Amino acid sequence: EAGVVQSPRYKIIEKKQPVAFWCNPISGHNTLYWYLQNLGQGPELLIRYENEEAVDDSQLPKDRFSAERLKGVDSTLKIQPAELGDSAVYLCASSLDYRDEQFFGPGTRLTVL
Amino acid sequence: DAKTTQPPSMDCAEGRAANLPCNHSTISGNEYVYWYRQIHSQGPQYIIHGLKNNETNEMASLIITEDRKSSTLILPHATLRDTAVYYCIVHTGSGGSNYKLTFGKGTLLTVNP
Repeated sequence: EAGVVQSPRYKIIEKKQPVAFWCNPISGHNTLYWYLQNLGQGPELLIRYENEEAVDDSQLPKDRFSAERLKGVDSTLKIQPAELGDSAVYLCASSLDYRDEQFFGPGTRLTVL
Repeated sequence: DAKTTQPPSMDCAEGRAANLPCNHSTISGNEYVYWYRQIHSQGPQYIIHGLKNNETNEMASLIITEDRKSSTLILPHATLRDTAVYYCIVHTGSGGSNYKLTFGKGTLLTVNP
């Protein structure tokens, strides 16, 4: 069974440019998460979806970050415009239900120059 | 959710048991102890979780003290592939929009040949 798929794995952009990350969760998983991980730190939750609904986006910087999960399957996280401080690894995870173990993808490493 | 305290790093010889401690002195009665690990350049991976009783699965054992203020993750026969950052997370099992895992900095376990 395929795990959580993320693309791209690496992205280098200049500041003020837009960037998008894509995530395809494990088939049948209703809950999808986006995390941000800075170097040397643990992952921090940005947003959690239950099917199509964003049930927790309290940590998502809404002035520049947006996310969508159309049809309750795959999801896209966008940053526009990117800032130097956005350089980090962006992780996607999914679970059958919000109470179940989370399965993480490999992440997208973003470098903003 | 209760905060956890873990040593920043530990070493273990290959083939020996690795015992990773975690203090969670402010844990509440309905909070679970979860362990995840993150191998370099990969997303976190669920290991095990428990509430009161000791738990064992194919990956590890979790020993929770009777007062629940601390726990130990045991990898019975550590291999080089177990080198990773190990996160201890204390989390309520109840639901709602605030349900989320809060990762700290974890313990970097280095398994030496």
